[in-house]
Amino acid sequence: QSALTQPASLSGSPGQSITISCAGGSGDIGGYNYVSWYQQHPGKVPKLLIYDIDNRPSGVSSRFSGSRSGNTASLTISGLQSEDEADYYCSSFSSGNTLVVFGGGTKLTVL
Amino acid sequence: QVHLVQSGAEVKKPGASVKISCRASGYMFSDYTMQWVRQAPGRGLEWLAWINGGNGNTKYSQRFEGRVTVTRDTATITVYLELRGLTFGDTAIYYCARGVFGTGIAVDFWGQGSLVTVSS
Repeated sequence: QSALTQPASLSGSPGQSITISCAGGSGDIGGYNYVSWYQQHPGKVPKLLIYDIDNRPSGVSSRFSGSRSGNTASLTISGLQSEDEADYYCSSFSSGNTLVVFGGGTKLTVL
Repeated sequence: QVHLVQSGAEVKKPGASVKISCRASGYMFSDYTMQWVRQAPGRGLEWLAWINGGNGNTKYSQRFEGRVTVTRDTATITVYLELRGLTFGDTAIYYCARGVFGTGIAVDFWGQGSLVTVSS
């Protein structure tokens, strides 16, 4: 069981916006500004999309944005494209038994 | 540009140990952390450990405490992950990944992964 909770799957149509949630607690998402999001295509290495809640690394499309409300972080993808079909993982610093925790991942399907 | 090159696939028997290497290049090694993350077949990401490239300080997931050791060789700019007492559940791709500058919590560059298969 993952420390952070994500929906197992989501789907959307091209051009739509979708939001992936990531629920944690005060010992991780709610307590520290160190939430990150990763995209992973099948058979590929994960790619950093968002770090420190809402920062985009250089080269990442502005269609990806991050936010946090309380103990829940969110990744919003606007203007959905076919190449966005992938697995998405949230991650956070944690004051618990492990320094970094991951969500279980969300499989995004673009219809 | 940043490159993280990992050692090749390994097949080990239950109870054995494995040591994976990750050679870094293209950046100031001492200014960044390096983390180890694994992914079992068809499963999600799991964090194992991190090492500070500058002072060598390490932190481990409590789940692996006592079974895992991360070291670094500053002469060859290589980080090592050793995992002992392997079980079938340790079959996974193991990734090294560089922590972002500053906090080092998120990771911005990943190695290609090293597949470890535990089989009798």
